[in-house]
Amino acid sequence: QSALTQPASMSGSPGQSITISCTGTSSDIGGFDYVFWYQQHPGKAPKLVIYEVNNRPSGVSNRFSGSKSGNTASLTISGLQSEDEADYHCSSYSSSSTLWVFGGGTKLTVL
Amino acid sequence: QLQLQESGSGLVKPSQTLSLTCTVSGGSVSSGDHSWSWIRQPPGKGLEWIGYVYQSGYTNYNPSLKSRVTISLDRSKNQFSLRLTSVTAADTAVYYCARGAGTYWGQGTLVTVSS
Repeated sequence: QSALTQPASMSGSPGQSITISCTGTSSDIGGFDYVFWYQQHPGKAPKLVIYEVNNRPSGVSNRFSGSKSGNTASLTISGLQSEDEADYHCSSYSSSSTLWVFGGGTKLTVL
Repeated sequence: QLQLQESGSGLVKPSQTLSLTCTVSGGSVSSGDHSWSWIRQPPGKGLEWIGYVYQSGYTNYNPSLKSRVTISLDRSKNQFSLRLTSVTAADTAVYYCARGAGTYWGQGTLVTVSS
């Protein structure tokens, strides 16, 4: 069982926007601005798309954005494209373990 | 561009020790204030942080694995390594090395625990 809770699957149509949630506690998401989001295509390594809640690494599309409210972080993908179909994982620093913890991952299907 | 590459045995017998090495190129494991991490992903499941090492040698491990894990740094070879003892089938996974909280990742290597 993962420390952070994500929906197992979500779907959207091309051009739509979708928001994936990631819920933790005050010991992780709620206590620190160290929330990260990763995109993982089948058979590939994860790729960082958002760091420290709402920052995009160089080269990541501005269609990806992040936010946080209380103990829940969110990843929004706007203007969905077929290439966005992937698994998305969230992670956060956790003071309980002084380590990073992950969510279980969300499989995004672009219909 | 920083690149990371995992290497090591892809098949380990139960009760034996899993050993992997991550070779870093395009940068130094000794520069900056970065941690160097090992992360794993069992087939069809989510990611799990195993632990990390700083260039100072400071380490931190997942409490659920702490008794079996050692992560170390070899500055002369620009590498860091993972040792996981007393493995079982539950340790079968793709193992990734990464910098920090996942700014850069290796391609991953599948380790199967089987007799």
